[in-house]
Amino acid sequence: ETGVTQTPRHLVMGMTNKKSLKCEQHLGHNAMYWYKQSAKKPLELMFVYSLEERVENNSVPSRFSPECPNSSHLFLHLHTLQPEDSALYLCASSPEVATNEKLFFGSGTQLSVL
Amino acid sequence: DQQVKQNSPSLSVQEGRISILNCDYTNSMFDYFLWYKKYPAEGPTFLISISSIKDKNEDGRFTVFLNKSAKHLSLHIVPSQPGDSAVYFCAASLNTGFQKLVFGTGTRLLVSP
Repeated sequence: ETGVTQTPRHLVMGMTNKKSLKCEQHLGHNAMYWYKQSAKKPLELMFVYSLEERVENNSVPSRFSPECPNSSHLFLHLHTLQPEDSALYLCASSPEVATNEKLFFGSGTQLSVL
Repeated sequence: DQQVKQNSPSLSVQEGRISILNCDYTNSMFDYFLWYKKYPAEGPTFLISISSIKDKNEDGRFTVFLNKSAKHLSLHIVPSQPGDSAVYFCAASLNTGFQKLVFGTGTRLLVSP
């Protein structure tokens, strides 16, 4: 496989569930990101990892917990979510954590919280 | 408060004609701008970029224009093709620190045959 792969593509969960989103990149990049896209809103940066170390946490509620075990894999652990957390969650990677680098996005996980 | 604004949620154009997608920004410190294209059920893909030291960048049918004094950029697609139908996102960044793109809300382009 090439590029950035996200699983699952769709997820429906209740507010008391615990689930995880997975992202894998096959591009040899050192930086990985989680973005959230809510309806009619801009993409919002949630987390940034550089070489498995978190370098940015954009005031994201603690019910979202990222994990980056290595530079190719990124997880987003979800627990006790709210209906307003329903959105498209996009993973992305870039060669380095630096401005002017083009992001390579996965296809996203469409999350619905009931 | 949105720093990057795409005020037109949608645009319809006939095949062969020019498509012009607009983007305004409020932060004069932004110095690098990008356009991404997104098809349904796919992630955004990079399309074209421009540095603030330029006012135009061209790549095939796609040209981005930057007007720093007006804090405005636009993407021109000539000629438009049905395969260009997608959502186009404008993004801006600062040339300091790490990658932190600020995105607009997107414009859905429909190119009809």
